[in-house]
Amino acid sequence: DADVTQTPRNRITKTGKRIMLECSQTKGHDRMYWYRQDPGLGLRLIYYSFDVKDINKGEISDGYSVSRQAQAKFSLSLESAIPNQTALYFCATSQRGTITYNEQFFGPGTRLTVL
Amino acid sequence: GNSVTQMEGPVTLSEEAFLTINCTYTATGYPSLFWYVQYPGEGLQLLLKATKADDKGSNKGFEATYRKETTSFHLEKGSVQVSDSAVYFCALSGNSGNTPLVFGKGTRLSVIA
Repeated sequence: DADVTQTPRNRITKTGKRIMLECSQTKGHDRMYWYRQDPGLGLRLIYYSFDVKDINKGEISDGYSVSRQAQAKFSLSLESAIPNQTALYFCATSQRGTITYNEQFFGPGTRLTVL
Repeated sequence: GNSVTQMEGPVTLSEEAFLTINCTYTATGYPSLFWYVQYPGEGLQLLLKATKADDKGSNKGFEATYRKETTSFHLEKGSVQVSDSAVYFCALSGNSGNTPLVFGKGTRLSVIA
């Protein structure tokens, strides 16, 4: 079984609709992240959470919100989807450790299309 | 703030050619450095890492050396295969470990037989 799962894998929706993307992990990590990937722009951080009570905005948080329901679950919501939110969305996890590096583990991605 | 700059693609090589993808960084202190790979239709996965100056990370025939004097972490492979076709991302972690990874924009590699 995959350690980081994302649902749905693909979603087509219409402008103005509310959409939730879900991420679950079985790695026992305390840190979780949401990124979007657009051609030519690489990965851009939307939100991240270092534990259940911690939520932080990333580079491009406008138009998005998140919920950390449990250590293993981190959801991303688009309150009112717009076409320029069409992208590939990735969830990632990492574990704070004794060594000060921060290896992240990625889910398979959700392809979202907003018409 | 911390940042990563990597060479723009796409890069197209013939099988068995030598590969270099350049990556330079800006950071305070002593960051850790990573290369991630994204195969078609998949998420990112760690390819290799280096946590201190002069460390060499290696995996699957790929290598990168952490050069503090040139603030670089170039990815190399002596003989690429078609199966290496993917997007490669350079990334860094600040020395506190308490900030998310900073990624470069990615370099698409296509290897033709």
